[in-house]
Amino acid sequence: GNSVTQMEGPVTLSEEAFLTINCTYTATGYPSLFWYVQYPGEGLQLLLKATKADDKGSNKGFEATYRKETTSFHLEKGSVQVSDSAVYFCARWDSSYKLIFGSGTRLLVRP
Amino acid sequence: SQTIHQWPATLVQPVGSPLSLECTVEGTSNPNLYWYRQAAGRGLQLLFYSVGIGQISSEVPQNLSASRPQDRQFILSSKKLLLSDSGFYLCAWRAGNTGELFFGEGSRLTVL
Repeated sequence: GNSVTQMEGPVTLSEEAFLTINCTYTATGYPSLFWYVQYPGEGLQLLLKATKADDKGSNKGFEATYRKETTSFHLEKGSVQVSDSAVYFCARWDSSYKLIFGSGTRLLVRP
Repeated sequence: SQTIHQWPATLVQPVGSPLSLECTVEGTSNPNLYWYRQAAGRGLQLLFYSVGIGQISSEVPQNLSASRPQDRQFILSSKKLLLSDSGFYLCAWRAGNTGELFFGEGSRLTVL
Protein backbone atom coordinates (compact mmCIF):
# COMPACT_ATOMS: atom_id res chain seq x y z
CA GLY A 1 0.00 0.00 0.00
CA ASN A 2 0.92 3.64 0.13
CA SER A 3 2.58 4.59 3.39
CA VAL A 4 5.28 6.57 5.13
CA THR A 5 7.56 5.03 7.74
CA GLN A 6 9.72 7.03 10.12
CA MET A 7 12.27 6.00 12.66
CA GLU A 8 10.88 5.87 16.15
CA GLY A 9 11.92 8.40 18.69
CA PRO A 10 12.65 10.04 20.87
CA VAL A 11 15.98 11.13 19.49
CA THR A 12 18.11 12.85 22.11
CA LEU A 13 21.17 14.81 21.02
CA SER A 14 23.55 17.32 22.46
CA GLU A 15 23.69 20.77 20.95
CA GLU A 16 25.79 20.97 17.76
CA ALA A 17 25.45 17.24 17.11
CA PHE A 18 24.58 15.84 13.68
CA LEU A 19 20.98 14.82 13.13
CA THR A 20 19.48 12.18 10.89
CA ILE A 21 15.82 11.17 10.99
CA ASN A 22 15.03 8.35 8.60
CA CYS A 23 11.94 8.29 6.40
CA THR A 24 10.98 5.77 3.76
CA TYR A 25 7.87 5.56 1.65
CA THR A 26 5.96 3.18 -0.52
CA ALA A 27 4.12 4.48 -3.54
CA THR A 28 3.27 3.96 -7.14
CA GLY A 29 5.06 6.65 -9.08
CA TYR A 30 7.03 9.50 -7.58
CA PRO A 31 4.96 11.62 -5.23
CA SER A 32 6.09 14.90 -3.71
CA LEU A 33 7.61 14.40 -0.28
CA PHE A 34 7.51 16.68 2.74
CA TRP A 35 8.92 17.23 6.19
CA TYR A 36 6.73 19.04 8.69
CA VAL A 37 7.76 20.24 12.14
CA GLN A 38 5.58 20.63 15.22
CA TYR A 39 6.94 22.75 18.06
CA PRO A 40 5.48 22.14 21.51
CA GLY A 41 1.83 23.11 21.79
CA GLU A 42 1.56 24.27 18.19
CA GLY A 43 0.21 23.08 14.88
CA LEU A 44 2.38 21.72 12.12
CA GLN A 45 4.35 23.82 9.69
CA LEU A 46 6.12 22.86 6.52
CA LEU A 47 9.87 22.53 6.99
CA LEU A 48 10.91 21.50 3.49
CA LYS A 49 9.75 19.58 0.46
CA ALA A 50 10.96 17.88 -2.71
CA THR A 51 8.76 17.42 -5.75
CA LYS A 52 10.77 15.00 -7.86
CA ALA A 53 13.51 12.41 -7.67
CA ASP A 54 16.99 13.69 -6.75
CA ASP A 55 15.58 17.01 -5.58
CA LYS A 56 17.00 18.36 -2.35
CA GLY A 57 14.75 20.34 -0.06
CA SER A 58 16.37 22.66 2.47
CA ASN A 59 15.32 25.15 5.12
CA LYS A 60 16.72 26.45 8.43
CA GLY A 61 19.83 24.29 8.05
CA PHE A 62 17.80 21.12 7.50
CA GLU A 63 18.12 19.12 4.29
CA ALA A 64 16.46 16.08 2.75
CA THR A 65 17.14 14.44 -0.62
CA TYR A 66 14.47 12.56 -2.55
CA ARG A 67 16.09 9.22 -3.38
CA LYS A 68 13.93 7.02 -5.59
CA GLU A 69 16.45 4.16 -5.55
CA THR A 70 15.99 3.67 -1.84
CA THR A 71 12.51 5.26 -1.63
CA SER A 72 13.82 7.48 1.13
CA PHE A 73 13.68 11.10 2.22
CA HIS A 74 15.90 11.27 5.30
CA LEU A 75 16.08 14.53 7.23
CA GLU A 76 19.53 15.83 8.19
CA LYS A 77 21.08 18.78 9.95
CA GLY A 78 24.73 19.29 10.54
CA SER A 79 24.52 21.07 13.90
CA VAL A 80 21.32 21.01 15.94
CA GLN A 81 20.28 23.66 18.41
CA VAL A 82 18.10 23.49 21.49
CA SER A 83 15.45 25.40 19.54
CA ASP A 84 15.20 22.48 17.09
CA SER A 85 13.54 20.37 19.78
CA ALA A 86 10.20 19.40 18.24
CA VAL A 87 8.35 16.56 16.58
CA TYR A 88 9.19 15.95 12.92
CA PHE A 89 6.78 14.35 10.47
CA CYS A 90 7.52 12.92 7.06
CA ALA A 91 4.59 13.00 4.63
CA ARG A 92 3.43 12.26 1.12
CA TRP A 93 0.19 12.63 -0.79
CA ASP A 94 -1.76 9.41 -0.96
CA SER A 95 -4.15 10.76 -3.58
CA SER A 96 -5.12 14.16 -4.84
CA TYR A 97 -6.77 14.95 -1.54
CA LYS A 98 -5.06 13.11 1.30
CA LEU A 99 -1.72 13.90 2.87
CA ILE A 100 -0.42 10.88 4.74
CA PHE A 101 1.97 11.41 7.64
CA GLY A 102 4.50 9.17 9.27
CA SER A 103 4.15 8.53 12.98
CA GLY A 104 6.43 11.43 13.90
CA THR A 105 9.85 11.51 15.53
CA ARG A 106 10.43 13.54 18.65
CA LEU A 107 13.78 15.32 18.82
CA LEU A 108 15.15 16.58 22.11
CA VAL A 109 18.30 18.67 21.98
CA ARG A 110 20.12 19.21 25.27
CA PRO A 111 22.37 22.23 25.90
CA SER B 1 -2.10 36.67 2.79
CA GLN B 2 -3.91 33.53 3.87
CA THR B 3 -4.59 32.69 7.48
CA ILE B 4 -6.34 29.89 9.29
CA HIS B 5 -7.96 30.06 12.69
CA GLN B 6 -9.24 27.39 15.03
CA TRP B 7 -11.24 27.73 18.22
CA PRO B 8 -11.49 27.08 21.00
CA ALA B 9 -7.80 26.51 21.65
CA THR B 10 -8.44 24.39 24.72
CA LEU B 11 -11.50 22.75 26.20
CA VAL B 12 -12.37 20.22 28.85
CA GLN B 13 -15.62 18.35 28.37
CA PRO B 14 -17.39 15.60 30.30
CA VAL B 15 -18.11 12.26 28.69
CA GLY B 16 -21.40 12.33 26.83
CA SER B 17 -21.39 16.08 26.20
CA PRO B 18 -21.51 17.58 22.70
CA LEU B 19 -18.59 19.10 20.84
CA SER B 20 -18.14 21.80 18.27
CA LEU B 21 -14.74 22.88 16.96
CA GLU B 22 -14.61 25.56 14.34
CA CYS B 23 -12.06 26.38 11.69
CA THR B 24 -12.04 29.28 9.26
CA VAL B 25 -9.68 30.21 6.48
CA GLU B 26 -9.12 33.74 5.21
CA GLY B 27 -7.51 35.04 2.08
CA THR B 28 -8.27 32.16 -0.26
CA SER B 29 -11.24 30.64 -2.02
CA ASN B 30 -12.37 27.07 -2.56
CA PRO B 31 -9.66 25.50 -0.41
CA ASN B 32 -9.52 21.81 0.40
CA LEU B 33 -10.11 21.55 4.16
CA TYR B 34 -8.98 18.88 6.59
CA TRP B 35 -9.44 17.74 10.18
CA TYR B 36 -6.66 15.70 11.75
CA ARG B 37 -6.42 14.31 15.27
CA GLN B 38 -3.25 13.73 17.20
CA ALA B 39 -3.61 11.53 20.26
CA ALA B 40 -1.06 11.95 23.04
CA GLY B 41 2.34 10.70 21.92
CA ARG B 42 1.00 9.46 18.63
CA GLY B 43 0.97 10.49 15.00
CA LEU B 44 -1.60 12.29 12.93
CA GLN B 45 -4.86 10.64 11.98
CA LEU B 46 -6.89 12.09 9.12
CA LEU B 47 -10.51 12.35 10.22
CA PHE B 48 -12.30 14.28 7.48
CA TYR B 49 -11.56 16.24 4.36
CA SER B 50 -13.69 18.45 2.15
CA VAL B 51 -13.17 19.61 -1.41
CA GLY B 52 -16.17 21.94 -1.46
CA ILE B 53 -19.23 23.23 0.36
CA GLY B 54 -21.30 20.36 1.68
CA GLN B 55 -18.80 17.77 0.45
CA ILE B 56 -17.36 15.75 3.33
CA SER B 57 -15.27 12.60 3.15
CA SER B 58 -14.85 10.57 6.32
CA GLU B 59 -11.72 8.54 6.85
CA VAL B 60 -12.43 6.84 10.15
CA PRO B 61 -15.79 5.57 11.46
CA GLN B 62 -16.43 7.14 14.86
CA ASN B 63 -18.81 9.34 16.76
CA LEU B 64 -17.48 12.51 15.15
CA SER B 65 -18.92 14.37 12.18
CA ALA B 66 -17.87 17.31 10.06
CA SER B 67 -19.70 19.97 8.13
CA ARG B 68 -18.75 22.70 5.71
CA PRO B 69 -21.57 25.23 5.67
CA GLN B 70 -19.50 27.89 3.89
CA ASP B 71 -16.55 27.84 1.52
CA ARG B 72 -14.01 28.73 4.18
CA GLN B 73 -15.59 27.25 7.28
CA PHE B 74 -15.10 23.70 8.52
CA ILE B 75 -16.75 22.41 11.70
CA LEU B 76 -16.01 19.27 13.68
CA SER B 77 -18.83 18.01 15.89
CA SER B 78 -19.94 15.26 18.17
CA LYS B 79 -23.27 14.61 19.84
CA LYS B 80 -21.76 12.58 22.69
CA LEU B 81 -18.08 12.62 23.47
CA LEU B 82 -16.12 9.53 24.50
CA LEU B 83 -12.97 9.39 26.61
CA SER B 84 -11.12 8.23 23.50
CA ASP B 85 -11.97 11.49 21.75
CA SER B 86 -9.36 13.31 23.82
CA GLY B 87 -6.54 14.68 21.72
CA PHE B 88 -5.15 17.57 19.75
CA TYR B 89 -7.33 18.47 16.77
CA LEU B 90 -5.77 20.20 13.83
CA CYS B 91 -7.51 21.93 10.96
CA ALA B 92 -5.64 22.46 7.71
CA TRP B 93 -6.22 23.86 4.25
CA ARG B 94 -4.71 23.40 0.83
CA ALA B 95 -5.07 25.76 -2.11
CA GLY B 96 -5.67 24.23 -5.51
CA ASN B 97 -3.00 21.80 -6.61
CA THR B 98 -0.18 23.05 -4.42
CA GLY B 99 1.47 20.37 -2.35
CA GLU B 100 1.50 22.13 0.98
CA LEU B 101 -0.99 21.92 3.81
CA PHE B 102 -1.30 24.92 6.11
CA PHE B 103 -2.28 24.10 9.66
CA GLY B 104 -4.15 25.98 12.33
CA GLU B 105 -2.91 26.36 15.87
CA GLY B 106 -4.83 23.33 17.07
CA SER B 107 -7.55 22.66 19.63
CA ARG B 108 -6.71 20.53 22.63
CA LEU B 109 -9.68 18.51 23.86
CA THR B 110 -9.72 16.67 27.15
CA VAL B 111 -12.69 14.43 27.84
CA LEU B 112 -13.15 13.50 31.50
